[in-house]
Amino acid sequence: NAGVTQTPKFQVLKTGQSMTLQCAQDMNHNSMYWYRQDPGMGLRLIYYSASEGTTDKGEVPNGYNVSRLNKREFSLRLESAAPSQTSVYFCASNSPHRNTEAFFGQGTRLTVV
Amino acid sequence: QQPVQSPQAVILREGEDAVINCSSSKALYSVHWYRQKHGEAPVFLMILLKGGEQKGHEKISASFNEKKQQSSLYLTASQLSYSGTYFCGTEWGMYSGGGADGLTFGKGTHLIIQP
Repeated sequence: NAGVTQTPKFQVLKTGQSMTLQCAQDMNHNSMYWYRQDPGMGLRLIYYSASEGTTDKGEVPNGYNVSRLNKREFSLRLESAAPSQTSVYFCASNSPHRNTEAFFGQGTRLTVV
Repeated sequence: QQPVQSPQAVILREGEDAVINCSSSKALYSVHWYRQKHGEAPVFLMILLKGGEQKGHEKISASFNEKKQQSSLYLTASQLSYSGTYFCGTEWGMYSGGGADGLTFGKGTHLIIQP
């Protein structure tokens, strides 16, 4: 069972470069999320998608864009990377019903130099 | 706003008990608990719902005080495998008709179990 798959696992970017983080889930979940994790800050919500075709901002959306390509895939784009975006990024999903566990991908460790 | 977790860190010997607290300034719909080991993804432990329903782990228990907007996670007779960082995640948004509004996580509690 694949669950939630993120690519790439590691990435180094130069300031100003762009990239897209990919996330796919095979559990038929409606809701998908992007979080960033920084030391001492916990997990902070960047964007989420409650269902296919909808996206909403979370706590820290500045500098990011998202696309819910279909029910399975939810991508996160950095248009012009900045050193402040150095972080570990996690994608997560949960079922159509509220109050169910969220499943997390293995994370993408991004360094912007 | 992020829920507030306490303590920030705990060091225990194997077999000892621990309590991790999570409090919110907003009315909560539910509280989720996750554990994360170093370099890995967070893993679900349990959910506590308004009204008292719980879903989750067999060996770990938790409480949810709706009036005080607080939850506590109880780790009894701790094992080495319990080591990691524990996060509470809170839901307080209105149901948007298709799924959750996203969990807001605390900064985490680091738990170290020594043999």
